Amino acid sequence: GQNIDQPTEMTATEGAIVQINCTYQTSGFNGLFWYQQHAGEAPTFLSYNVLDGLEEKGRFSSFLSRSKGYSYLLLKELQMKDSASYLCAALDSNYQLIWGAGTKLIIKP
Amino acid sequence: DVKVTQSSRYLVKRTGEKVFLECVQDMDHENMFWYRQDPGLGLRLIYFSYDVKMKEKGDIPEGYSVSREKKERFSLILESASTNQTSMYLCASSLSGRGDPTGELFFGEGSRLTVL
Repeated sequence: GQNIDQPTEMTATEGAIVQINCTYQTSGFNGLFWYQQHAGEAPTFLSYNVLDGLEEKGRFSSFLSRSKGYSYLLLKELQMKDSASYLCAALDSNYQLIWGAGTKLIIKP
Repeated sequence: DVKVTQSSRYLVKRTGEKVFLECVQDMDHENMFWYRQDPGLGLRLIYFSYDVKMKEKGDIPEGYSVSREKKERFSLILESASTNQTSMYLCASSLSGRGDPTGELFFGEGSRLTVL
């Protein structure tokens, strides 16, 4: 079956760095997305990776290893507003999105 | 900015009632989607549409139907609501054509439905 695994909850300190991991098992692979969702709000797009490697976008970076079925989202210089759920989703060979359950990130002062 | 608007943020319905959830996007996107979001589960696709009057079943279409009469509007219908349909419903749209699903999804803020 197809599966996405990511931690349910993580806690980090303001100003620090946190890495949110995501492993996927899909029938074929056409890329991996990260979305951010604040409580009570719509998910918003953060990144899309289809090639191996690290892509940096300001304080956020996303990494992909296709051979390992693994991705991570790296958040630097954490701010209180980064408290949110982070959703990982993989695109399978039929171009269907398979979603993880999300990682709730709690930032403490 | 792309805006996806869902008609109701909160609804409370009784078992057996018919429920309409409406979604409108203002950026001329071809693709529109309905998902449900439940605690501890990933987003699950109910239906999607890649053109007016076109619809395709997602992973969990049972108990739901959809309508897309105009490009900007995609409605989700629960013909006879049941308690297990209590959930958060998210509408999304994307610009990419059917052959390119790698485009960013733009989500509405969700409709929280409670069925008693």
